[in-house]
Amino acid sequence: EVQLLESGGGLVQPGGSLRLSCAASGFSFTNNAMSWVRQAPGKGLQWVSSISGSGVNTFYADSVKGRFMISRDTSKNMVYLQMNSLRVEDTAVYFCAKVPQVRGDPFEYWGQGILVTVSS
Amino acid sequence: DIQMTQSPSSLSASIGDRVTITCRASQRISDYLNWYQQKPGKAPRLLIFAASSLQSGVPSRFSGSGFGTDFTLTISSLQPEDFATYYCQQSYGIPRTFGQGTKVDIK
Repeated sequence: EVQLLESGGGLVQPGGSLRLSCAASGFSFTNNAMSWVRQAPGKGLQWVSSISGSGVNTFYADSVKGRFMISRDTSKNMVYLQMNSLRVEDTAVYFCAKVPQVRGDPFEYWGQGILVTVSS
Repeated sequence: DIQMTQSPSSLSASIGDRVTITCRASQRISDYLNWYQQKPGKAPRLLIFAASSLQSGVPSRFSGSGFGTDFTLTISSLQPEDFATYYCQQSYGIPRTFGQGTKVDIK
């Protein structure tokens, strides 16, 4: 059974930092890209970042480029999102998602999400 | 960026109704189009990938079609558990982008 479990969220002041973690299990970790998608309160879904199965290629939304960094540890089956220079508008539930090597590159499985609140 | 526009933004329907949601891309995206269902307080669930492929475990009353810029999600006979918000998403380009969502509620 595929499981994705996010952790590391919480309340942080504007300008602060936070590192989200996603523990993956139940599938071949290196054969899947991984992504972070967020949802601000009452709003729609917004893609944040993706990392290839090898970890070599990373991609970011313009709104987080230069502030967030995605990484993965294949020895631990973990994906991370280091978030720096946080802004109020980064407040959202952050989901970790598995992206298999199939046509369409869908976000196949999602974690339950973790809330990040940026506020003074 | 590729803009995704869903219509309608919301709809009211009855159990057993046939429901159709459309999604239009601002440029041609081949069949790189996925559909998700989200219920309040829950993570999204993949329904359809590559425009028309049914994800494993998803009931066959869900179907997708389209190619290029215009896509459709159809629920052939609406069930109580289908009341939710539906999102389309393109995976043709970076950034990945979603439609604004279509909320399906009970008439």
